[in-house]
Amino acid sequence: KAGVTQTPRYLIKTRGQQVTLSCSPISGHRSVSWYQQTPGQGLQFLFEYFSETQRNKGNFPGRFSGRQFSNSRSEMNVSTLELGDSALYLCASSLSATQYFGPGTRLLVL
Amino acid sequence: TQLLEQSPQFLSIQEGENLTVYCNSSSVFSSLQWYRQEPGEGPVLLVTVVTGGEVKKLKRLTFQFGDARKDSSLHITAAQPGDTGLYLCAGASRGTSYDKVIFGPGTSLSVIP
Repeated sequence: KAGVTQTPRYLIKTRGQQVTLSCSPISGHRSVSWYQQTPGQGLQFLFEYFSETQRNKGNFPGRFSGRQFSNSRSEMNVSTLELGDSALYLCASSLSATQYFGPGTRLLVL
Repeated sequence: TQLLEQSPQFLSIQEGENLTVYCNSSSVFSSLQWYRQEPGEGPVLLVTVVTGGEVKKLKRLTFQFGDARKDSSLHITAAQPGDTGLYLCAGASRGTSYDKVIFGPGTSLSVIP
């Protein structure tokens, strides 16, 4: 079975721009979660989608949004980028409690 | 609010030494996972433990789930440079219709050749 894939792997944007990241879960997994990881903050939970519905949300501003499609693929969008949004964005898919992570998208905001 | 704590936060040891890292909470978990993450990559699942008191071994790594299912430990025997990375634990709790997962802050391990 193919693992979780994320595109793009690396991205450079400037402040004020917006960005869309994509995640394809393991086949058969209906839950997709997104995390932001920075060196000082560890894994911060953004949101979780299941069957195209957001069922959990972390404490991030409304500039961070996401969606899930009928094939379980998910996208997250960050609008009006700030320098502090520079991070590794990870997505994870799961069937039950155990989450399987993709390689991440490294976003650098200049 | 559920919290998972990990200790130590940082660990630097010589190749060949043994070490133990801990994952603690005041909450009871239905299962607990350990992951290892290398810089710039996603966390890789090492093990899932589900039964209180359970011990699982993966080569030189030994994982234990506490009897009360609130804590866990990871013991590495004869550490090697390839063990270097960030070790994360994650606890899952049963909700009304699905599991909720929380992650600890991680233990950063450096094994010096």
